[in-house]
Amino acid sequence: GAVVSQHPSRVICKSGTSVKIECRSLDFQATTMFWYRQFPKQSLMLMATSNEGSKATYEQGVEKDKFLINHASLTLSTLTVTSAHPEDSSFYICSAGAGDRYEQYFGPGTRLTVT
Amino acid sequence: GQNIDQPTEMTATEGAIVQINCTYQTSGFNGLFWYQQHAGEAPTFLSYNVLDGLEEKGRFSSFLSRSKGYSYLLLKELQMKDSASYLCASLDSNYQLIWGAGTKLIIKP
Repeated sequence: GAVVSQHPSRVICKSGTSVKIECRSLDFQATTMFWYRQFPKQSLMLMATSNEGSKATYEQGVEKDKFLINHASLTLSTLTVTSAHPEDSSFYICSAGAGDRYEQYFGPGTRLTVT
Repeated sequence: GQNIDQPTEMTATEGAIVQINCTYQTSGFNGLFWYQQHAGEAPTFLSYNVLDGLEEKGRFSSFLSRSKGYSYLLLKELQMKDSASYLCASLDSNYQLIWGAGTKLIIKP
């Protein structure tokens, strides 16, 4: 149980284009989903926390107009990287909260490369 | 401020035991998590401690001392597949995970 999928797993796009990443909880309802970014050899950096039906809460330094988050249902959250630039190239990982131990279940991640 | 400290890298031998330490200073405390992350993959859950003491789960055990702000992950009978990064994370008073930078564990034959 507690499976989280993420799509796509890998994407290459040109600078200036937008990329949408989907995160789905497959066998449970996730009231809260988290979006992380991880640069090579660094730890996870929380970008934002999204609750179903409400606006996402962004961490300091994360541009909400650049990283659009939509948590449309209890099983789906999307992250759109708008006007992507090479410095946005990173490993983007979503996680979903389930149960009462505040454990987060992670998706497999999306590797974004902006050329 | 909030801070999680763990060693950057450790090396151990296949079949041996290794202990990865983590100290934390967070605003409030609602538990301590350990995750395993293989290169290029997302983290996977290993353990959760909220009470003092040792919790054993197969070859992996996790210990917590709340008074000392200290935890460790103990890996026994090391296997080559245990080569990965191990992330310590503290759940603060807002139920937000505060992540350490991770400990890269290298297993040698």
